[in-house]
Amino acid sequence: EVQLVESGGGLAKAGGSLRLSCAASGFTFSSYTMNWVRQAPGKGLQWVASISSSSSYIYYADSLKGRLTISRHNARNSVFLQINGLKAEDTAVYYCARDGDPHCSGGSCSFFDSWGRGTLVAVSS
Amino acid sequence: SYVLTQPPSVSVAPGQTARITCGGNDIGSKSVHWYQQKPGQAPVLVVDDYSDRPSAIPERFSGSKSENTASLTISRVAAGDEAAYYCQVWDSLTDHVVFGGGTKLTVL
Repeated sequence: EVQLVESGGGLAKAGGSLRLSCAASGFTFSSYTMNWVRQAPGKGLQWVASISSSSSYIYYADSLKGRLTISRHNARNSVFLQINGLKAEDTAVYYCARDGDPHCSGGSCSFFDSWGRGTLVAVSS
Repeated sequence: SYVLTQPPSVSVAPGQTARITCGGNDIGSKSVHWYQQKPGQAPVLVVDDYSDRPSAIPERFSGSKSENTASLTISRVAAGDEAAYYCQVWDSLTDHVVFGGGTKLTVL
């Protein structure tokens, strides 16, 4: 069974940084592109970033570019999201999601077939 | 940037068919995927443009596309289908994943 477990969320001050982690199990992690999607309270889904299986391809949402770093450690079956310069509008549940096609390196083939339960980031001013 | 437009809400009686639309420029040429999200839960993929449905999703869920509109159709709607539904594509001009704003399905 595919499992994705996010951690690292919590209360943070505006201007600070957070590093989110996602631990994967139940599949060959090193074969899949991984993604982060966030959802502000009462709002819709917003894609944040994607990283291909070998980290060769990395994509970021324009609205967050410059403040984000997505990375992965295939030997540890983990993907990470570093957010710097936190703003109140970064307050959201952050979901880790697996790409549905192991042959997809992100791009037009990208969709999300498994999701974690999310980790809540709350930014206070 | 590429925009996907969904109606904020759709209501349907139990047993009837619900159709949720997702509008976008030339969306018919893109791969469109659909997610269901119930309150307090993570999203779940219900329709993808390649295999149609994950194995755990009932045949009542199906997707279709025309030139500028994609649709998620749910037949024989049940109370358990009440949720928010999101469409998703990849925008090749910006190399971004794009989600629609979401549609709240209410079962009357």
